[in-house]
Amino acid sequence: NAGVTQTPKFRILKIGQSMTLQCTQDMNHNYMYWYRQDPGMGLKLIYYSVGAGITDKGEVPNGYNVSRSTTEDFPLRLELAAPSQTSVYFCASSYSKGQGTYEQYFGPGTRLTVT
Amino acid sequence: AQKVTQAQTEISVVEKEDVTLDCVYETRDTTYYLFWYKQPPSGELVFLIRRNSFDEQNEISGRYSWNFQKSTSSFNFTITASQVVDSAVYFCALSEALGGSQGNLIFGKGTKLSVKP
Repeated sequence: NAGVTQTPKFRILKIGQSMTLQCTQDMNHNYMYWYRQDPGMGLKLIYYSVGAGITDKGEVPNGYNVSRSTTEDFPLRLELAAPSQTSVYFCASSYSKGQGTYEQYFGPGTRLTVT
Repeated sequence: AQKVTQAQTEISVVEKEDVTLDCVYETRDTTYYLFWYKQPPSGELVFLIRRNSFDEQNEISGRYSWNFQKSTSSFNFTITASQVVDSAVYFCALSEALGGSQGNLIFGKGTKLSVKP
């Protein structure tokens, strides 16, 4: 199994450009998440999804959009990139059932620079 | 509100020393989960352990051990006989099981461990 895959690994954007970060998981997990990690900081949740067709905002959603049309894919869209969005982006997935919360498995990350 | 505090920003030890990474959490829920993740210099996040709030037994896995104490809201991580390969940033995280959090992880800021030969 590939687990959680993310593309691209690196990207440089100019201010105002848009892009989509791709995330795919092959573990049939129902929950998926997008985090950003700024230097010297922990991860902060951008958006999450509890299943296909269902998404919700996390702690820092401004400037981002997501969609979840399939169980496997959870792309993150950046509109009008700003320097404040320079960060490392991690996608994660987990299996959750009822009130149980299981470990999240993370992709390798996408390092994004906006100049 | 949920919060995870890792007061140690950086720790440096010499190989074979034991080292403990501290984690203190805050939550109003009675059911919650605690996690530790490792982020080596290559950047990926590696899951180490998950513990639910009803299980206060300490856990040992090889050179790694975890001490969970609800009375002090702490979930500390000890590496015995540290090795250079243990050099990484270690994150403690909290997830509440109830309400609208949907299992979202709240991360501490991480502790950077450097193990020197």
